[in-house]
Amino acid sequence: DAGVIQSPRHEVTEMGQEVTLRCKPISGHNSLFWYRQTMMRGLELLIYFNNNVPIDDSGMPEDRFSAKMPNASFSTLKIQPSEPRDSAVYFCASSFGIVNFFGPGTRLTVL
Amino acid sequence: DQQVKQNSPSLSVQEGRISILNCDYTNSMFDYFLWYKKYPAEGPTFLISISSIKDKNEDGRFTVFLNKSAKHLSLHIVPSQPGDSAVYFCAASMNTGNQFYFGTGTSLTVIP
Repeated sequence: DAGVIQSPRHEVTEMGQEVTLRCKPISGHNSLFWYRQTMMRGLELLIYFNNNVPIDDSGMPEDRFSAKMPNASFSTLKIQPSEPRDSAVYFCASSFGIVNFFGPGTRLTVL
Repeated sequence: DQQVKQNSPSLSVQEGRISILNCDYTNSMFDYFLWYKKYPAEGPTFLISISSIKDKNEDGRFTVFLNKSAKHLSLHIVPSQPGDSAVYFCAASMNTGNQFYFGTGTSLTVIP
């Protein structure tokens, strides 16, 4: 099994640009999570999906952030427009049960 | 507001000695706790868990202790090995659900 796949692994963009992060969960998993890691707040849950349906998006910081899961094998997290304070590592995770299986993350830098 | 707190950002331990990583939580509704381990440039990986009906769970060199009255849990690694050097995250959930609240992590360095 390839595990959770995220792309790109690194993204450098300028303030105001749109950023799209991509995730392919582990096949057979029915829950998908987007997290953001910062030094100050650790791992924050942004949004999670169950069976492709968004269940809780209360962690999404602002309307600039949006997430979709059009099918069981793909999800996107979009930031539009991006700001320097969005710089962080974004993780996607999937699960079938309690334990989250994390992808390698996308390191986002907004200049 | 952080509901799960790891107040020690870093910890250094000699190889062979015990490593103790601590975690505090504020929400008494939390009933399931996990520890994750994270190496640089990788995602966190599950290490060990404990349910609130227990006060101890052991898996090889790793033991997690839960003190519900103090809202405190700890991860003990004995003996510590250089390969244990990583960032350790504590996480908690309520109603044994799969939505977890994570701490800020503790960076463990095991010195050979």
